[in-house]
Amino acid sequence: AQSVTQPDIHITVSEGASLELRCNYSYGATPYLFWYVQSPGQGLQLLLKYFSGDTLVQGIKGFEAEFKRSQSSFNLRKPSVHWSDAAEYFCAVGLANAGGTSYGKLTFGQGTILTVHP
Amino acid sequence: EPEVTQTPSHQVTQMGQEVILRCVPISNHLYFYWYRQILGQKVEFLVSFYNNEISEKSEIFDDQFSVERPDGSNFTLKIRSTKLEDSAMYFCASIRKRTDTQYFGPGTRLTVL
Repeated sequence: AQSVTQPDIHITVSEGASLELRCNYSYGATPYLFWYVQSPGQGLQLLLKYFSGDTLVQGIKGFEAEFKRSQSSFNLRKPSVHWSDAAEYFCAVGLANAGGTSYGKLTFGQGTILTVHP
Repeated sequence: EPEVTQTPSHQVTQMGQEVILRCVPISNHLYFYWYRQILGQKVEFLVSFYNNEISEKSEIFDDQFSVERPDGSNFTLKIRSTKLEDSAMYFCASIRKRTDTQYFGPGTRLTVL
């Protein structure tokens, strides 16, 4: 079964500092990979996704992520964090095996809460 | 931009009562999902629905749960007899094809007293 690990439960950075949120997945084939952001009491907003092709993907709000197959990782980065980036971030994995029985369900990591100090 | 909508935004119910959570997926989407998020925990898959039938369900989705697409636009999750542990945020999602990005609704917060 696929699984997703976000090793950092809580990260605190200063505004303007760079950010990297870690995500590791466990799955036998190439997965579809996503990062979602959730502000308190809100739904899930897609930041970016990787399906295939270029392993460095750009998303909204200045975020990017790099798929590294050898490390089974899909870490999220931002060069300069803004106070409005404070939220919870979820990495998620979906199956890429179109012939499989799983119709696109996502498996989420535990989430990383990002706090931004002024 | 089209979006997934969910009603109500917050539902409070007594233990043992039935609740129906409603979702309107994006109109040309074909695959529909329910997820839940217990406070402070990760988002968990409940069920997927395609071609008017359940295509996959998790171990959480027991006989107390059911889903339905009663017309061309709504997608509902029914909990027959709610338990305290059903208190959670429930998210609906939809995609047009299996390899697409899932679009999530804003969620329904269910509180069981």
